[in-house]
Amino acid sequence: IAGITQAPTSQILAAGRRMTLRCTQDMRHNAMYWYRQDLGLGLRLIHYSNTAGTTGKGEVPDGYSVSRANTDDFPLTLASAVPSQTSVYFCASSEQHTGELFFGEGSRLTVL
Amino acid sequence: GQNIDQPTEMTATEGAIVQINCTYQTSGFNGLFWYQQHAGEAPTFLSYNVLDGLEEKGRFSSFLSRSKGYSYLLLKELQMKDSASYLCASMDSNYQLIWGAGTKLIIKP
Repeated sequence: IAGITQAPTSQILAAGRRMTLRCTQDMRHNAMYWYRQDLGLGLRLIHYSNTAGTTGKGEVPDGYSVSRANTDDFPLTLASAVPSQTSVYFCASSEQHTGELFFGEGSRLTVL
Repeated sequence: GQNIDQPTEMTATEGAIVQINCTYQTSGFNGLFWYQQHAGEAPTFLSYNVLDGLEEKGRFSSFLSRSKGYSYLLLKELQMKDSASYLCASMDSNYQLIWGAGTKLIIKP
């Protein structure tokens, strides 16, 4: 059982480049989330999706976009990466309206 | 505004007991959650409180006082593997988790 899978696990990216972080879950959870985690700060929600076909903006959505074409996949795209987007990105899923989130292993992104 | 406060770092001795406190202020309340995160790994769910009182789960217990906006995580019989960051999160009225910055727990032999 894979649970929730993210790719890539690590990436170095030049500023201005486009990047998509992939996230796939096999638990059939309705809700999915993208967070970024920076030293000294709590997890900050970028975007979320309560069900396939719908998405919403979190606390720090600028510079990021998401799509939810089906239940399993929730990719996060940086249209034109900037150094301030250097962070560890976590994808997570849950049953809707519960706080028990299942996290992927994280994607460490460095923008130079 | 919404805010979660917890200590940045704590140190404890192997075999001892440690209490990690968390105060929260969120728009609405749908539960208080604790997660454990080992260095370089993803957070994993530990506990959930929605009613006042103590929830015990093995060596770990979590307490909630809604009137005080306060929770704590109690870890007993500390083991070296308990060295990790412990994240407190409150679920607001929109069912979104608001996260604290985490408490790094260092266990010494």
